[in-house]
Amino acid sequence: AQSVTQLDSHVSVSEGTPVLLRCNYSSSYSPSLFWYVQHPNKGLQLLLKYTSAATLVKGINGFEAEFKKSETSFHLTKPSAHMSDAAEYFCVVSPYGQNFVFGPGTRLSVLP
Amino acid sequence: EPEVTQTPSHQVTQMGQEVILRCVPISNHLYFYWYRQILGQKVEFLVSFYNNEISEKSEIFDDQFSVERPDGSNFTLKIRSTKLEDSAMYFCASRGWGANVLTFGAGSRLTVL
Repeated sequence: AQSVTQLDSHVSVSEGTPVLLRCNYSSSYSPSLFWYVQHPNKGLQLLLKYTSAATLVKGINGFEAEFKKSETSFHLTKPSAHMSDAAEYFCVVSPYGQNFVFGPGTRLSVLP
Repeated sequence: EPEVTQTPSHQVTQMGQEVILRCVPISNHLYFYWYRQILGQKVEFLVSFYNNEISEKSEIFDDQFSVERPDGSNFTLKIRSTKLEDSAMYFCASRGWGANVLTFGAGSRLTVL
């Protein structure tokens, strides 16, 4: 079975400081991994994806994530937070390209 | 950029009523999904659909739920007799052949009174 753990339900950072949102997964297969973002009252937007190519993946809005198989992790980072980054972030695992399992989400707050 | 379109954006209904949520997936996509998100909770998989049949469904997707692709463009989720606990945001998603990225719609918020 596959599952996703997002270790922090809420992360709060100051504008201009780094962001780290943590994700660990469990999968019986070599998975594809994704980060989606949900701004308030909006739909789900793809930030970035890992699909067995480069382990460091760059996404939109300056976000990136690194796939570490030995740690079963796919943490999301950004060097400098912007106020517009405040949103809910979901780590998603797809073990064989059919089903997509969501983590519980991490709410990112950005303080001025 | 192609997008997934969902209607209605918000529907309020009485308990026991039937509801149909509509989705227009991206035109050349072949795999279709419904997810739901109860307020403040995680996004949960409901059902996936391919080649005019359900390919996978979760425990949530019981006999009260059904999906249909009535024509070449729409993909619908029907809830036969709504319950209070069906109140949620329902997301439709689609993906193309050989692709492993889901494109989501903006969601349909269902409120059951």
